[in-house]
Amino acid sequence: GESVGLHLPTLSVQEGDNSIINCAYSNSASDYFIWYKQESGKGPQFIIDIRSNMDKRQGQRVTVLLNKTVKHLSLQIAATQPGDSAVYFCAENRETSGSRLTFGEGTQLTVNP
Amino acid sequence: GAVVSQHPSRVICKSGTSVKIECRSLDFQATTMFWYRQFPKQSLMLMATSNEGSKATYEQGVEKDKFLINHASLTLSTLTVTSAHPEDSSFYICSVTAGRYEQYFGPGTRLTVT
Repeated sequence: GESVGLHLPTLSVQEGDNSIINCAYSNSASDYFIWYKQESGKGPQFIIDIRSNMDKRQGQRVTVLLNKTVKHLSLQIAATQPGDSAVYFCAENRETSGSRLTFGEGTQLTVNP
Repeated sequence: GAVVSQHPSRVICKSGTSVKIECRSLDFQATTMFWYRQFPKQSLMLMATSNEGSKATYEQGVEKDKFLINHASLTLSTLTVTSAHPEDSSFYICSVTAGRYEQYFGPGTRLTVT
């Protein structure tokens, strides 16, 4: 069931700074991970993904790091902009689950101009 | 452009009535679609997997008789919230998958039950 009174972790940064958002996953069998951005009132938007045979992947202004030893995932956003303000979710998937995703709790990123 | 659409984007209904939400795959035929529910300040919770031509698979704790899913075609899945109550008020999001590594989310439907 849902947790009452749950608050999203928050991260507040200055425009131009780098942001690091962290995620801990629970299932050691998960082998595919995705970061999503969700703006208020909208559906999740794909940012970047990584498979378990990699520990780092870079996109445009974003980098995902995967540490399978401690089951930890991070999203780094370079030169954060006000338009990056949103909630960021990590999601995990394992081959035996088909396309089913399990989402993390999310982090609210606020970029101050 | 959008890959997935949802209709309506917002709906307000009275307690005890039923509401139908549509999810359409615009760019490809989807044998599998997913339905999620998201409460304020919380994460997405998978409700069910919608399979074209067969019964939906519901996650533990989700009442299949309350949340009716119909995936009658390769581009359309519907979620009907039956006998809605205020606690069903939430943001409902669907996704379509083109394979394990491709999943696209709809814009969501805000349901408010008064």
